[in-house]
Amino acid sequence: SQKIEQNSEALNIQEGKTATLTCNYTNYSPAYLQWYRQDPGRGPVFLLLIRENEKEKRKERLKVTFDTTLKQSLFHITASQPADSATYLCAHPLTDNTDKLIFGTGTRLQVFP
Amino acid sequence: NAGVMQNPRHLVRRRGQEARLRCSPMKGHSHVYWYRQLPEEGLKFMVYLQKENIIDESGMPKERFSAEFPKEGPSILRIQQVVRGDSAAYFCASSLGDSSYNEQFFGPGTRLTVL
Repeated sequence: SQKIEQNSEALNIQEGKTATLTCNYTNYSPAYLQWYRQDPGRGPVFLLLIRENEKEKRKERLKVTFDTTLKQSLFHITASQPADSATYLCAHPLTDNTDKLIFGTGTRLQVFP
Repeated sequence: NAGVMQNPRHLVRRRGQEARLRCSPMKGHSHVYWYRQLPEEGLKFMVYLQKENIIDESGMPKERFSAEFPKEGPSILRIQQVVRGDSAAYFCASSLGDSSYNEQFFGPGTRLTVL
């Protein structure tokens, strides 16, 4: 069955540094990957979508890469700020031509001043 | 433009009671998805609906769970005869649909606690 693996351990970094989160997927080649942010007690908020034919996508301080050979996506936050502290979720469609998603368990990011 | 609305935000039920969770999608969105999130686990897809139609309920338990999205009014996820294992956060998401690559807009969730 399909599985998305994200580092379950929290990532602690100092303000101003670049945070890099990893998402590995198995048993399926998705047409796209999505990244969401989730704060405690709240619903996920969409951040970025990257398609299989895109190597890299940027949005302000965020950058996402998609390596279909490694079956991996990396999510970078440059010049990180304490307000970036949250859990970041990786997701992809369960099957082709559908928007129903499978999510990873997320990686908690803590940015210290 | 209001986002996805869910109510109640918190729901406490005793074993054997019924739970009704409501979701109003964003204005203009006709596609609704329900997900369940257990502590320390990822969001799990349950059911995908369009107005008056269940498109895919492959992630929803066959017994005790049902969902609807009527022509008028919110989408409702109904859990009959709740058990302790139903305790979780239930999230609703909506999208424009019609094709893939649509971002999903999530509501704040309903936290169900079964005593």
